[in-house]
Amino acid sequence: SAVISQKPSRDICQRGTSLTIQCQVDSQVTMMFWYRQQPGQSLTLIATANQGSEATYESGFVIDKFPISRPNLTFSTLTVSNMSPEDSSIYLCSVEISGGHYNEQFFGPGTRLTVL
Amino acid sequence: GESVGLHLPTLSVQEGDNSIINCAYSNSASDYFIWYKQESGKGPQFIIDIRSNMDKRQGQRVTVLLNKTVKHLSLQIAATQPGDSAVYFCAENQGTYKYIFGTGTRLKVLA
Repeated sequence: SAVISQKPSRDICQRGTSLTIQCQVDSQVTMMFWYRQQPGQSLTLIATANQGSEATYESGFVIDKFPISRPNLTFSTLTVSNMSPEDSSIYLCSVEISGGHYNEQFFGPGTRLTVL
Repeated sequence: GESVGLHLPTLSVQEGDNSIINCAYSNSASDYFIWYKQESGKGPQFIIDIRSNMDKRQGQRVTVLLNKTVKHLSLQIAATQPGDSAVYFCAENQGTYKYIFGTGTRLKVLA
């Protein structure tokens, strides 16, 4: 397993500003993921962040809106840029741990973002 | 605090009874499935997994059943306790890093 922490745990932001969310893992992992969980919704993958390469974004998500950094094997950041109320969500970081043939994903506690 | 899954389907179960949470998955090529539990204010927590070559897998108080014919997954919780109250998600994996999450079910345990 892995212990994952996120900062901040929650924030209230003004429209038009940006927020950077940090994700720290207690072990080195190759793949890290960022998910969004809108109110009353399930988890939607935003992007995959591998160390040393650009993040891979899912359909509907773009780098200009959600720039991601992955400077080393234990850390990643997600920035929510030029925020609007529609960006109000929980943002979750997860990591993949090899479990043999199948790899498990473990999640951080999430960052609860409210945009006014 | 604010809860996730405010508009999710809700299953209410009396404490001590068994709970059955269902999930329909989308891709017949999915070969690995996970059930997650998400308590208010926390990230999803792994509960139990099952591979597509299995029909049933048991853990401590939990059992997952897989019906590949109808692409259906269920999570059974025996002797449901107040601490089981949470939102439960199924997730399917198609052999890559990508997991597709179901819509989730809120479980409420009644005292």
